[in-house]
Amino acid sequence: QVQLVESGGGVVQPGRSLRLSCVASGFSFNSYGIHWVRQAPGKGLEWVAVTSNDATKKYYADSVKGRFTISRDNSKNTVYLEMSSLRVEDTALYHCAKDFQAFDTWGQGTMVTVSS
Amino acid sequence: QTEVTQEPSLTVSPGGTVTLTCASSTGAVTSASYPNWFQQKPGQAPRSLIYGTKNKYSWTPVRFSGSLLGGKAALTLSGVQPEDEADYYCLLYYGETWVFGGGTKVTVL
Repeated sequence: QVQLVESGGGVVQPGRSLRLSCVASGFSFNSYGIHWVRQAPGKGLEWVAVTSNDATKKYYADSVKGRFTISRDNSKNTVYLEMSSLRVEDTALYHCAKDFQAFDTWGQGTMVTVSS
Repeated sequence: QTEVTQEPSLTVSPGGTVTLTCASSTGAVTSASYPNWFQQKPGQAPRSLIYGTKNKYSWTPVRFSGSLLGGKAALTLSGVQPEDEADYYCLLYYGETWVFGGGTKVTVL
């Protein structure tokens, strides 16, 4: 079945970096765009970034532009989110979601906590 | 900064009908905004219900429907069931960014 599994979350100090991974299975990975969406504790959903299927298009929310980088390795069915200069307000559960327009399948998420 | 606005909360009786709306600070929502709707229950990942204004997935219950209504995107729940109690989020597309609404908490009472 179609599945997305995130990993790489943890506790990190402000200003440090972290790399999240999203491993996909059950579908033709190189045919689909993948998004990252986050949810701070007790808050709503926030779109973070997207990569097209061939990585030629990458877009970011203003809140992370210049600090986060999305990439993908189609040989490993994996999308990455490289997060640098982390801030307390980046604390959230980070989900990846499949499809450039339809967000049809979501992973369970990986928790990132930015705290000194 | 583009904002997407939803009703913070709505209450509906079992078997009743409720309509959630999704408005854009940039003007009328159209099909070009490719409205998506998601359901989220406590402790769970969001589940996709509607894409492209009104299209359903194979898993979307028949009682859920999407539309455009008075310049907004809308999600209508007809014949509400107790298990429909959840948070509902809309998502709009703005060319190179996507923006979620703040969510609507639907209580079935």
